[in-house]
Parts: sequence; structure tokens; C-alpha cells
Amino acid sequence: AQSVTQLDSQVPVFEEAPVELRCNYSSSVSVYLFWYVQYPNQGLQLLLKYLSGSTLVKGINGFEAEFNKSQTSFHLRKPSVHISDTAEYFCAVSGVGGYQKVTFGIGTKLQVIP
Amino acid sequence: DAGVIQSPRHEVTEMGQEVTLRCKPISGHNSLFWYRQTMMRGLELLIYFNNNVPIDDSGMPEDRFSAKMPNASFSTLKIQPSEPRDSAVYFCASSRAAGNPGGDQPQHFGDGTRLSIL
Repeated sequence: AQSVTQLDSQVPVFEEAPVELRCNYSSSVSVYLFWYVQYPNQGLQLLLKYLSGSTLVKGINGFEAEFNKSQTSFHLRKPSVHISDTAEYFCAVSGVGGYQKVTFGIGTKLQVIP
Repeated sequence: DAGVIQSPRHEVTEMGQEVTLRCKPISGHNSLFWYRQTMMRGLELLIYFNNNVPIDDSGMPEDRFSAKMPNASFSTLKIQPSEPRDSAVYFCASSRAAGNPGGDQPQHFGDGTRLSIL
């Protein structure tokens, strides 16, 4: 089984400042990792995913994440946030091989302050 | 392309009533998921279908919950009888993945059904 820990429930940040949303996972097998974004009254949308290869993954809307196997982390970053980035962000993990359901973190609410 | 379509968007009903939530997955997707989202527990997988067959229903809370997928383009989640603790947002998601749904195909979510049981 896998588990995901998102260390911050809320992150306030000023517009145009950088942001990092933290995610740690645990798993006994190799993993796939995902970040999803949820805007108010909508479902989740995929931001980016790590499957294999380069540990730095670039996604939509200028976001990127780095897979660190030794730290079991997959932190999400953006160098300069915009008001429209205000949303809730979910880290998710799935085990490689066979049926392994996706486990989502509890979510981090990003509040961009004008 | 049309995304995952869920209905109704909002449902308010009294305790003890039957509730039916509906989902139309994206055409061509062969995996379908039902999730429940609450403030306390976050996003929980209730059940996963692959090629219309339930593969994992370990997340279904109790016998009051049931889900069906009679064909590739339609699924229902039913709660009977409903209780106030069932109040939550219920999401349906679909993906192309077969076998391991956490593979290289992401899940596409509907906009959810906000359920309130009084």
C-alpha cells in the first residue's frame, strides 16, 4: 500500500512570488507520482506526472515538480504565481505493476494574495 | 471533446431517502472510478470499474452503497437509505488505463455531485 503526506494544509503567497508545495510519500514498490489541481466547484485536473526518467517534470501553467527517491518526496514548485493559481493542489501516488489504486493526499490550499 | 459528465450537480434530500448519482465517462475510456470528498477524510476511492466490471470495491463504506456500470458509457452510484454522514461531494473519473489505473494515463474528473442529507 502507498500513502501520501502533504505537509501544509494552506499556503498563502504574494502574487509574483515563488511557491513550493510539499509532498512526501511512502511505498514498498516503485511508484508513479501525480499532482492535480482543483478549482472551486470543479473536479481535479492533472498538472503533471512522474512515471520514469528525468526526475524534473514540467507541467501545465508553469508548474514543475522534482522526484527525489532518497527523500521520498515530490514537491511542486512555480517561480512566480498568479492570482489564477489560487486553488487546492493534490499530490497522488500509485504503485507500479498490477492494479494499484491511486492514493491522494489531503490537499494544500494555495492562496495567492494580490 | 466532452469531459466526464455527472448529474445532478447538487442534491438535497432527507435522511432515509434513496439517492442515485449518475456518470457518463469520456468516450473510449475503459476505467471508471467513484470518489467521495470530505473535509475530514479528503478524497477517498469508493469503487473502480475496468471494462464495466467492478475490480476494487474495498472503499465502499457499507451495504447502503452500491454501484453499477451496465455499459461503457454509463455508471450509477446509489445510496439507500441515505444518512446525514453521507453528505459529501462525489466525483466520477475515467481513464484509458487497463490493469493498473495509476499508469501513464491520468484520470479525468467530472465536476462532482454535492450531496446534502438532512
